[in-house]
Amino acid sequence: DGGITQSPKYLFRKEGQNVTLSCEQNLNHDAMYWYRQDPGQGLRLIYYSQIVNDFQKGDIAEGYSVSREKKESFPLTVTSAQKNPTAFYLCASTTTSGGSYNEQFFGPGTRLTVL
Amino acid sequence: QKEVEQNSGPLSVPEGAIASLNCTYSDRGSQSFFWYRQYSGKSPELIMFIYSNGDKEDGRFTAQLNKASQYVSLLIRDSQPSDSATYLCAVVTSGTYKYIFGTGTRLKVLA
Repeated sequence: DGGITQSPKYLFRKEGQNVTLSCEQNLNHDAMYWYRQDPGQGLRLIYYSQIVNDFQKGDIAEGYSVSREKKESFPLTVTSAQKNPTAFYLCASTTTSGGSYNEQFFGPGTRLTVL
Repeated sequence: QKEVEQNSGPLSVPEGAIASLNCTYSDRGSQSFFWYRQYSGKSPELIMFIYSNGDKEDGRFTAQLNKASQYVSLLIRDSQPSDSATYLCAVVTSGTYKYIFGTGTRLKVLA
C-alpha cells in the first residue's frame, strides 16, 4: 500500500521540550511538506523540501527545524523556541515530474498538545 | 491582501441543492488549482483539480476557473449530508512547488 505515514498520532509536550514528528512516504515523491493547522484555520506552510538534502522555509518556520537525509523521510522538530505549538501537523508529498500540476497527498496528521 | 481567500462560512444548503464554493487568488502567475475536502480531525483529500479556464466536471462536482478574474469555484450538485466538511482551495504558482491554501469554507448540508 503506497502512502504517507505520520507518527505519533497524538503527542504531548511539556514546556521547554523539543519533540520530533515523523513523516515517511513510499510514493517515490520528490517534494515533501509540513503544514500546521489551528482550529478553524487553513494550512500554513512550515517547511518544504523539493530534493534530498535541501529544504526551504515556509511562512511560519520560526521555532521549527527539519532534515531531509532520505527521499522517503522528512522529520519535523518542534523546538522550545516555538511558543505556541499546540496544533494539528500535516505532512504532505508530491511528485515534481510534469511541473506544478500535481496534487499533494497528505498523511493522517499528528495532533500536538503542550501541557 | 491574503494570497488565497475563501469565505469561512458556514455555508448551509438543504439536501439535494447545489452548493457553490468560491476562492480568489492574488498571484496572476498561478498555474494549478486544487480543491480539497477535509472532515473534522482528518487530513485533506483531493476532490478536483483544474488548470485551464472554463469548467471541469467529475460526477457531482464541477470546478470552474477564470484566470482573468482570478477566481476558482467548486459546485457540488445534489448535495448530501456526507458532503458536510471544510473545503480548502489550494493554488500553485508556475515554476514552484509551493502550495498556498485558503482558510477553507465550512459546508453544512441539512437533511
